[in-house]
Order: sequence, then C-alpha cells, then structure tokens
Amino acid sequence: QVQLQESGPGLVKPSETLSLTCAVSGYSISSDYYWGWIRQPPGEGLEWIGSIYHNGNTYYNSSLKSRVTISLDTSRNQFSLKLGSMTAADTAFYYCARHSYYYDSSGPKAGYFHHWGQGTLVIVSS
Amino acid sequence: DIQMTQSPSSLSASVGDRVTITCRASQDISIYLAWFQQKPGKAPKSLIFAASTLQSGVPSKFSGSGSGTDFTLTISSLQPEDFATYYCQQYNGYPWTFGQGTKVEIK
Repeated sequence: QVQLQESGPGLVKPSETLSLTCAVSGYSISSDYYWGWIRQPPGEGLEWIGSIYHNGNTYYNSSLKSRVTISLDTSRNQFSLKLGSMTAADTAFYYCARHSYYYDSSGPKAGYFHHWGQGTLVIVSS
Repeated sequence: DIQMTQSPSSLSASVGDRVTITCRASQDISIYLAWFQQKPGKAPKSLIFAASTLQSGVPSKFSGSGSGTDFTLTISSLQPEDFATYYCQQYNGYPWTFGQGTKVEIK
C-alpha cells in the first residue's frame, strides 16, 4: 500500500520560499502515476497547487504558477514543492497525494486524489 | 477552469437521517467526479469515484449518482462517525478542482 509523508518547516517568513518534501513508500515514483500537492487554509476548502507526472511533466494551478516549482527526486523516492514569495495568505495545511488513473479514448489520464499524506501546517509569519 | 459548486454549504441532521449533498459542475465532466470525507485535523479520505463507485472499504450507506453536470452524494442513515465535511472533486481534466465543501453537523 502506498504511503505518503510530508515534511518541511512549520514556520516561514513573509517573502521567503517554502520548501516541502513528500516521501513515498510502497511504490516507486519513477514507475508511474501523477503526484500532486493540495493545500487548505485553516477552516477553508481545498485548493490544488500542482502535480507532476512520473516522467517529470508538471502541471500547475494558474493562480500560483509564477511561484510554484514541483520536482521529483527518484533516488530518494520523494517529490518536492517550492512556493516562492510567501505571504500570510499562503498559511495552510499542505498535503501531498497520488492521483488515481483512468483511461478514455485518448489514453491514460490523471484521476482523483486517491492516496493522501497526513498533511503539514505551514504558517507564514515574521 | 471547471467550477464545482456544492450545496448546501452546511447542514444539521440527526442520527439516522438520510442526507443528500449536491455538486454541480460548470461544464460537462461525464462521470469523472469523486467524493471525499474530511474530519477535523485529518486528510481527506476518498469515498466514491467515477460518480458512483464506492471506494474499497467504504460502507454501503454512502452512495453517489449523477453524470454530466449534476451529482449527488447520499448517506442513507447518518451515524455519529459521519459528521464531517464532504468535498467533491472533478477530474475530467486539468486543472483539477474541488467544491467548496459541505459541513454535516449534529442537530
């Protein structure tokens, strides 16, 4: 069974860059699947940040695209999120997740977020 | 982007009640819709995918229906462990988007 675990700083200063890592066990991230990041401000809803395919292709939320980088580290079986120019509005629980797969007439597609990490709270404050 | 609108935003119900939550997509997403349950301090947990397919291990009191733009999640007999917030998510295509959530509270 695949398991995901986020790690990173719980506190980031305004204007700094957030770096989070998602360690994956039970599956090799270089083999297949899309891997994503989702965030949730305390008491609010879920926002997709971005995802990466096992081949390194990336997909970002247009509202965050200028500040986001997602990358794979296959040697450590983990993937990472970098979010620049942090502000208080970026305070949130950050989750990593693995998409499901489905197939349509054009081939395999990234599905819903099937497996989730437990999440990590990141607070932006000086 | 495909907008997902859930209704109601919150509801109060009693143990044993039948509860229905609606999710509407801003364009046709076929059956590519999932439902999640989230309890305080926990990550979302997938309940249903492909609009009506129950995730393995999820009790049959949960059911989903719909296609195109209109979808529903039904809990047939609400139990204490079902009080939580429920989200829908479309995966017809990138960008993947969520509904704003429906909080189910105890009456």
